[in-house]
Amino acid sequence: EPEVTQTPSHQVTQMGQEVILRCVPISNHLYFYWYRQILGQKVEFLVSFYNNEISEKSEIFDDQFSVERPDGSNFTLKIRSTKLEDSAMYFCASSWDRSSYEQYFGPGTRLTVT
Amino acid sequence: KQEVTQIPAALSVPEGENLVLNCSFTDSAIYNLQWFRQDPGKGLTSLLLIQSSQREQTSGRLNASLDKSSGRSTLYIAASQPGDSATYLCAVRPQEGSGNTGKLIFGQGTTLQVKP
Repeated sequence: EPEVTQTPSHQVTQMGQEVILRCVPISNHLYFYWYRQILGQKVEFLVSFYNNEISEKSEIFDDQFSVERPDGSNFTLKIRSTKLEDSAMYFCASSWDRSSYEQYFGPGTRLTVT
Repeated sequence: KQEVTQIPAALSVPEGENLVLNCSFTDSAIYNLQWFRQDPGKGLTSLLLIQSSQREQTSGRLNASLDKSSGRSTLYIAASQPGDSATYLCAVRPQEGSGNTGKLIFGQGTTLQVKP
């Protein structure tokens, strides 16, 4: 069964460093998403991406964040200068459409900023 | 602004018991509602998706219902097993007119423990 994959599973970085989280969505999906979950808190929407551009971003997704689909398979989330409060589990998700179909989530990348 | 709430926050039951998890949302303008399972430190596994036009969906021992007008959904788990122990999340996909981008809004989850 097709699945969303994410790498790395765990990333440790120092405050102020840049990190890139990688995702490979399901191959025939058209809509891509990033969410995050701070330990003990709700899963929060960060950004949605369609047709090579951002469709919507939350207030969390400030200028330190960017997303890219550099080729036909990968979808990346970059944090330019990490802060302690960026420590969280980051989930990538994909969907065939934006209304009716399920979103499928990857296993997540645990980001620890020290 | 859409808010999703799940009650209870935690639940502990003996094996074999039937149980109901509750989810409520403040704005009935949704496309669908999705139930997920999350094991500790792991990703989200989709369990059931209910479209806004549907009343319920079933998969094995799981049955999810949706009452859109009252802003409620329930997840019924029959004959619970220790392997069902996990956190269960509900999420709605809101209708936002031309701004619909497919984002999900999550509740905080119900952590279920099924004791052998």
